[in-house]
Parts: sequence; structure tokens; C-alpha cells
Amino acid sequence: QVQLKESGPGLVAPSQSLSITCTVSGFSLTDYGVSWIRQPPGKGLEWLGVIWGGGSTYYNSALKSRLSISKDNSKSQVFLKMNSLQTDDTAMYYCAKHERGYDYFDYWGQGTTLTVSS
Amino acid sequence: DIQMTQSPASLSVSVGETVTITCRASENIYSNLAWYQQKQGKSPQLLVYAATNLADGVPSRFSGSGSGTQYSLKINSLQSEDFGSYYCQHFWGTPWTFGGGTKLEIK
Repeated sequence: QVQLKESGPGLVAPSQSLSITCTVSGFSLTDYGVSWIRQPPGKGLEWLGVIWGGGSTYYNSALKSRLSISKDNSKSQVFLKMNSLQTDDTAMYYCAKHERGYDYFDYWGQGTTLTVSS
Repeated sequence: DIQMTQSPASLSVSVGETVTITCRASENIYSNLAWYQQKQGKSPQLLVYAATNLADGVPSRFSGSGSGTQYSLKINSLQSEDFGSYYCQHFWGTPWTFGGGTKLEIK
């Protein structure tokens, strides 16, 4: 069955960088897009960016200068990198699979919590 | 960017009641709308896609409707497992954006 699982550092100091990994199973990264979405504590959802099966990426323009999404198809892993972290980047970070040919998210990971604090 | 305005922000209801949540887009999104349910401490789950289509395994008491800029999610005969938060999301061009959410609470 389809599964996604995020893993990250948990705590990062302000101005530092973040790297989160999404490990997937049950589908091929060459066939489906995977997006990153975050949710600050007690708040709503914000789409960050997507990497498509062919490797092309799109980012939320509000964060584009700080984001990078890549993947390793052979390892079934997608990577989110964000630099210049601030306290308002504290959030739950989710990876989510796209339905083929559509831009909604049919499967989500459990999320990984990131706290930006000194 | 397309803005998604969701209402109400919160709703206190009893088991067995019927509720409707609405989502308004700042421009025509041509039914490119999804609804998600999120229970406390869990990740969102897809309920409805393309405005009216139920995702696999979603009970028939859920239904989606709408077109253009106005969309709704209706839940008939609320069950205890339906309490939580609901979000709409448009997928008519990037950036894909979500509504602010509706929190359904038990009365």
C-alpha cells in the first residue's frame, strides 16, 4: 500500500538550514509527483513546493528563494531543504503524493515536527 | 495567487445533525477543488476531489458541490468520527492554496 514517512531534525536554530526526507513506498517517484506542505501549530495548511516524476519542480513564490526540493528515485526518497530558518518556520511538515494527472493530494505522510528556536 | 475563503471557521454540532461548509475562491477555479479532513494530531485525508467526487472509502454521507467560485461540503447525519477540521484546496494553477479551515466540534 502507499505510504509516505517524513524524517527531520526536530529542532533547528534560527538562521540555520533544514533538511527533511520523505521516504515513500507503494508507488514509484518516477510516476507521481510529491509535494511538501506545512502547518504551523494551531494554524492552516501551506503548500511549499512539488517535484514531479520527471524531476521538474515548482515552488511557492513566497518561499522560493529559500527552498529546494530534490529526490533519489532509486531510494524512493524526496528531500526538502530550506535555508535561513526563522521562528515562524516552526510547523509540522508533511509530504504528500499527487493523484496521477491531478494536483490534489491523495496520500499524506504522518508529518515531522520542526521547531526553530535557539 | 488564488485566495480560498472558508466558512464558518468553527461549528458546534450534535451527532446526527447535517452541516454544510463553504469555500469561496477569489476567481473561477473550474471545479478544481478538493476537501480534506484532519483529525486532531493526524495528517489530512482526502475526502472529495474535483468538487464532487468522493475519494475511495469515504462514506456516502459526505458530498461535495459547487462550481465557479463557490463550493460546499455537506455532511449528512454527523457521526462521532466526523469531528475534526476540514480544509478546501484549489488546484487551478500554482500556488495551490488551502482555505483557512473549519473546526467541527461536538455540542
